Amino acid sequence: NAGVTQTPKFQVLKTGQSMTLQCAQDMNHEYMSWYRQDPGMGLRLIHYSVGAGITDQGEVPNGYNVSRSTTEDFPLRLLSAAPSQTSVYFCASLKLGAYEQYFGPGTRLTVT
Amino acid sequence: KQEVTQIPAALSVPEGENLVLNCSFTDSAIYNLQWFRQDPGKGLTSLLLIQSSQREQTSGRLNASLDKSSGRSTLYIAASQPGDSATYLCAVFTGANSKLTFGKGITLSVRP
Repeated sequence: NAGVTQTPKFQVLKTGQSMTLQCAQDMNHEYMSWYRQDPGMGLRLIHYSVGAGITDQGEVPNGYNVSRSTTEDFPLRLLSAAPSQTSVYFCASLKLGAYEQYFGPGTRLTVT
Repeated sequence: KQEVTQIPAALSVPEGENLVLNCSFTDSAIYNLQWFRQDPGKGLTSLLLIQSSQREQTSGRLNASLDKSSGRSTLYIAASQPGDSATYLCAVFTGANSKLTFGKGITLSVRP
């Protein structure tokens, strides 16, 4: 199993550009989520999904969109990047019932 | 709203010391509590998962306890080593709103 994979590892965007952070898992986990990690703020939940076709907002959803068309993939879209979105983004998954979270390696995003 | 607190934010100890890292949470209706390790610039590695029905879990030199009624968990590290230097985060999974809430972490430095 590859576990949870994220691409890209690093990305630099200019203000106003759009991009999609990719996340995939091969463990057949129903639940997937996106976090951002900022110094002094800890990890904060952006969006999560409890299954294909179902998504919900977390603590800091503004400026981000998600969709879940398959069990394996959970992409995070930035429609118009802002410097405030400079952060490290982690994707995670877990199997409902077991509730142990597995994290991807992260994407370091800089918006200039 | 679930809040997770880890105090102190940083800790420095000499090699060989046994140490305890504390975590507290405000809502005792949790599914589980998970301890993670994060090295600088890296992702999160799961150390121990304690289900809500359990009191403790052990892995090697690590022992985590959970007192759900008082909203507390401790991570005990025996015979600390410089390689234990990292940030340790605790997180609780609250099933009612399907969310994992993180503390801000304790940055541990073990001096040779």
